[in-house]
Amino acid sequence: TQLLEQSPQFLSIQEGENLTVYCNSSSVFSSLQWYRQEPGEGPVLLVTVVTGGEVKKLKRLTFQFGDARKDSSLHITAAQPGDTGLYLCAALLLSNSGYALNFGKGTSLLVTP
Amino acid sequence: KAGVTQTPRYLIKTRGQQVTLSCSPISGHRSVSWYQQTPGQGLQFLFEYFSETQRNKGNFPGRFSGRQFSNSRSEMNVSTLELGDSALYLCASSLAGFNYGYTFGSGTRLTVV
Repeated sequence: TQLLEQSPQFLSIQEGENLTVYCNSSSVFSSLQWYRQEPGEGPVLLVTVVTGGEVKKLKRLTFQFGDARKDSSLHITAAQPGDTGLYLCAALLLSNSGYALNFGKGTSLLVTP
Repeated sequence: KAGVTQTPRYLIKTRGQQVTLSCSPISGHRSVSWYQQTPGQGLQFLFEYFSETQRNKGNFPGRFSGRQFSNSRSEMNVSTLELGDSALYLCASSLAGFNYGYTFGSGTRLTVV
């Protein structure tokens, strides 16, 4: 069972377009992280959102945490080829053996010139 | 400062063999986590070590084990390899866990034939 559902799974757009990717769950998170992973590399932390309703901006990337702390979105303005990669959301969720970092399956983004 | 170093980068093993992967965290980081990444399942949590103690464990069979040394370096061992163990194995280090964010290594690509 995937605790964090990300959509869309794949996204192919042209340079200059805007896009939004989503991360949803039926669970409530204390906080949530977004990572970007490029081919052949490990994920790189982009942001941590903590407060329900919080909005954080990182240059052309805008991250929003839902009011109920069950969902989050990432909006990219004027996408560039350098934004290409796998975008992953992650949250600390309680399992049988304690808290563990759970990842969504990710949104694979391709930005073409 | 040096990032998270994983060795080796690539590995080919035969079914039934065992393998040991190594991870050197960022200096000062006491938490080391291991993840398995496959196209079908995405990133799956294996276990986390903090100050030489396993703090949490994911839902993987006992063939997967790990340990952490006093200098925070960590090793992961997989015994009796199966074809399905082919994956990218990622190590992440953190000062103390989720709230501090995780820094990932580039991973070890394991292929079981």
